[in-house]
Amino acid sequence: GQNIDQPTEMTATEGAIVQINCTYQTSGFNGLFWYQQHAGEAPTFLSYNVLDGLEEKGRFSSFLSRSKGYSYLLLKELQMKDSASYLCAPMDSNYQLIWGAGTKLIIKP
Amino acid sequence: GAVVSQHPSWVICKSGTSVKIECRSLDFQATTMFWYRQFPKQSLMLMATSNEGSKATYEQGVEKDKFLINHASLTLSTLTVTSAHPEDSSFYICSAPTGATTEEQYFGPGTRLTVT
Repeated sequence: GQNIDQPTEMTATEGAIVQINCTYQTSGFNGLFWYQQHAGEAPTFLSYNVLDGLEEKGRFSSFLSRSKGYSYLLLKELQMKDSASYLCAPMDSNYQLIWGAGTKLIIKP
Repeated sequence: GAVVSQHPSWVICKSGTSVKIECRSLDFQATTMFWYRQFPKQSLMLMATSNEGSKATYEQGVEKDKFLINHASLTLSTLTVTSAHPEDSSFYICSAPTGATTEEQYFGPGTRLTVT
């Protein structure tokens, strides 16, 4: 079956760094997306990885290891507005996104 | 970046009535659009894939006669919740891929449906 595993909730301090891990199992693989979702809002795109390695985009970086079925999202210089849920979503062989419940990130001053 | 809009942003209706939700791609054409439903504190659940010019593809367990999808043009897809019941109250979100390889999807802002 297809499965996504992320921590349910994480807490970090403003200005710090946090890494959100994601392991996945899918039928085929066409890349992995990370989305940010604030409460009551739709998800917004953060990153896309299709090859192994690290993709850096400003304060956010995303890493992928296809052989391990593993990805992480790294957030640096945390700001209060980064408090949100972070969704790891791999794309299967049918180009469908597989969604987990996401990780709720709480930023404390 | 690409923009997807939804209308209405929220709606309250009485049990037994029907509600139509529109999803528009504002600056690109979308032959495919996806409709999701999200209950509080739960993950996005794909309901159906809307295809311009052909019938929608529904996920297992989603009643196609209850959730009517019409992809009228390359920029508009509609979801009609027929004979709505309180358990249909949810956050409905559409998305559309912008690239030929469906690499990236942009989401509409969502529609909050409350059935009383």
